[in-house]
Amino acid sequence: QSVLTQPPSVSGAPGQRVTISCSGSSSNIGAGYDIHWYQQLPGTAPKLLIYGNSNRPSGVPDRFSGSKSGTSASLAITGLQAEDEADYYCQSYDNSLSAPWVFGTGTKVTVL
Amino acid sequence: QVQLVQSGAEVKKPGASVKVSCKASGYTFINYAFHWVRQAPGQGLEWMGWISADSGNTEFSQKFQGRATITRDTSASTVYMELSSLTSEDTAVYYCARWEYSSSSDPFDHWGQGTLVTVPS
Repeated sequence: QSVLTQPPSVSGAPGQRVTISCSGSSSNIGAGYDIHWYQQLPGTAPKLLIYGNSNRPSGVPDRFSGSKSGTSASLAITGLQAEDEADYYCQSYDNSLSAPWVFGTGTKVTVL
Repeated sequence: QVQLVQSGAEVKKPGASVKVSCKASGYTFINYAFHWVRQAPGQGLEWMGWISADSGNTEFSQKFQGRATITRDTSASTVYMELSSLTSEDTAVYYCARWEYSSSSDPFDHWGQGTLVTVPS
């Protein structure tokens, strides 16, 4: 049972904008710990997509953006493309758990 | 470029142990740490533990304390994760991930390709 809650799925047509929420609590996101986002294409390892709430590693298109507010964070994909169809996970640190590095429940993005 | 290359798939009997390796290249090995994360079939990501490549210090999820061991060989730039007393519930893909560890909030910036461990029931 993850402490970071994401919607199981979101979908959109090519070119549209979709957002994925990541809801946490006062012991993780609300405590000021950074949120990171990972993209997992089918059959592959997760890849760092957004770090430190809103920063993109080199090579990640600027169609991907992240934000954080209070105890929640979100990932936005603008100009949705077929290649964006993947699972997306948020991740943070939780200071109340015996397993402090926590992942979100994951969201499947489907391009219609 | 940074690469983390893991060992190949394993099939183990219940009660056995498995040892997965993760060889790093393209950077100074001891300047980073490694986390291990697993993913059961069709499920999400689950954090297991981490090791400092420099000191060898480790920390584990309580779920795996006493059953998982993480070690490193600095001369080979390789980290290892061994999991004992395997059951069918340990069937999963196991990933190593690099971590800068300047703060608890640092991201896992590079991942291995994953190692499938299958424990038939």
